[in-house]
Amino acid sequence: RKEVEQDPGPFNVPEGATVAFNCTYSNSASQSFFWYRQDCRKEPKLLMSVYSSGNEDGRFTAQLNRASQYISLLIRDSKLSDSATYLCVGNMEYGNKLVFGAGTILRVKS
Amino acid sequence: DAGVIQSPRHEVTEMGQEVTLRCKPISGHNSLFWYRQTMMRGLELLIYFNNNVPIDDSGMPEDRFSAKMPNASFSTLKIQPSEPRDSAVYFCASSLAGGGNQPQHFGDGTRLSIL
Repeated sequence: RKEVEQDPGPFNVPEGATVAFNCTYSNSASQSFFWYRQDCRKEPKLLMSVYSSGNEDGRFTAQLNRASQYISLLIRDSKLSDSATYLCVGNMEYGNKLVFGAGTILRVKS
Repeated sequence: DAGVIQSPRHEVTEMGQEVTLRCKPISGHNSLFWYRQTMMRGLELLIYFNNNVPIDDSGMPEDRFSAKMPNASFSTLKIQPSEPRDSAVYFCASSLAGGGNQPQHFGDGTRLSIL
């Protein structure tokens, strides 16, 4: 089983739609989680950290469910510019090593 | 603020040649990571350093790959001799040390093509 698993998609949604991605992780000792965004032929960029209490940043909401070992990302009112690959990331239980999921492709269409 | 700086941005060379990739982490960050990304294998961690010391190099594919961090502001990833299967985008990232609680910040990457 992969340490971090994501549905690769692609998710094809119209502008204005709400879309949600889930990601599961295998290491129950993992403490920190992040969502990164990667545009085509660009570097991964931090989108948001994921806290146990959940957190929101504008149209983006991240949730963590430790009991079921998954994290989620909700995007409301999708924009064309949201089209990208979204990477789910968790830390290992030791050191500074982060494990990246393979990514979920989102395509927002007009 | 200056982010992670990588050079070169693109490298095209013939197989068998030595390739050196360079990275300058964000000032004040004491963890540095080298990744490789391909369509087939996604983003793979090759090696990471804490305070200039290599901590985990289990992702380094083979002896042809080596990485150094002589000081807090510079690291190199070297491939010698290079092979076509090494073609990929190589990213350097840095973070504050924090037991994995700190996010990593990526450079623009080096797009490597081995002919």
